[in-house]
Amino acid sequence: EIVLTQSPATLSLSPGERATLSCRASQSVSSYLAWYQQKPGQAPRLLIYDASNRATGIPARFSGSGSGTDFTLTISSLEPEDFAVYYCQQRSNWPLSFGQGTKLEIK
Amino acid sequence: EVQLVESGGGLVQPGGSLRLSCAASGFTFSSYAMSWVRQAPGKGLEWVSAISGSGGSTYYADSVKGRFTISRDNSKNTLYLQMNSLRAEDTAVYYCAKDPGYCGGDCYGYWGQGTLVTVSS
Repeated sequence: EIVLTQSPATLSLSPGERATLSCRASQSVSSYLAWYQQKPGQAPRLLIYDASNRATGIPARFSGSGSGTDFTLTISSLEPEDFAVYYCQQRSNWPLSFGQGTKLEIK
Repeated sequence: EVQLVESGGGLVQPGGSLRLSCAASGFTFSSYAMSWVRQAPGKGLEWVSAISGSGGSTYYADSVKGRFTISRDNSKNTLYLQMNSLRAEDTAVYYCAKDPGYCGGDCYGYWGQGTLVTVSS
């Protein structure tokens, strides 16, 4: 089973700042990595698929990069609505798996 | 518009069984793989199970293998999760989820609202 480790667990930033979230896989997942955003009481929302492709309707301030075992989600300039929990997910191998999440909180 | 509506959650005793359903609409159900993802209270997302569009291929997390069975009825546009031998650690909100059409079935652009399963005596 592929284990995804996200860092940091919590990231405290202010609106307008740049956010960089990391996801590391225990073995290569090629580019088969997705990122999700989840707000309290809501289902997750797909942001990025296959490492660097924005899902439909996702603002350009969200970008993804990486391949193999190391991936990054970047939010170029934080908006108030971006403070949430972010998860990565691999679809390279069964069973599929999610990272444990990074909470992005307002500083 | 894609809609996924889960039902069947509730309170069940340890060792008991429950069957979840997910009614799908707004797309050609039989053409898409479907999945279940769960989230324990205050915890992260955990992938549970997936099934191909035809139902011929199924996949499970190690934590549920041998206890849970995923199935689908394409004539009813409905996905199921039969959960047996339930444990306290199965307590979670269970979501059904669908690929948006560009992840080969394995990323989730559409989610239901979730149904809560509580395993407790």
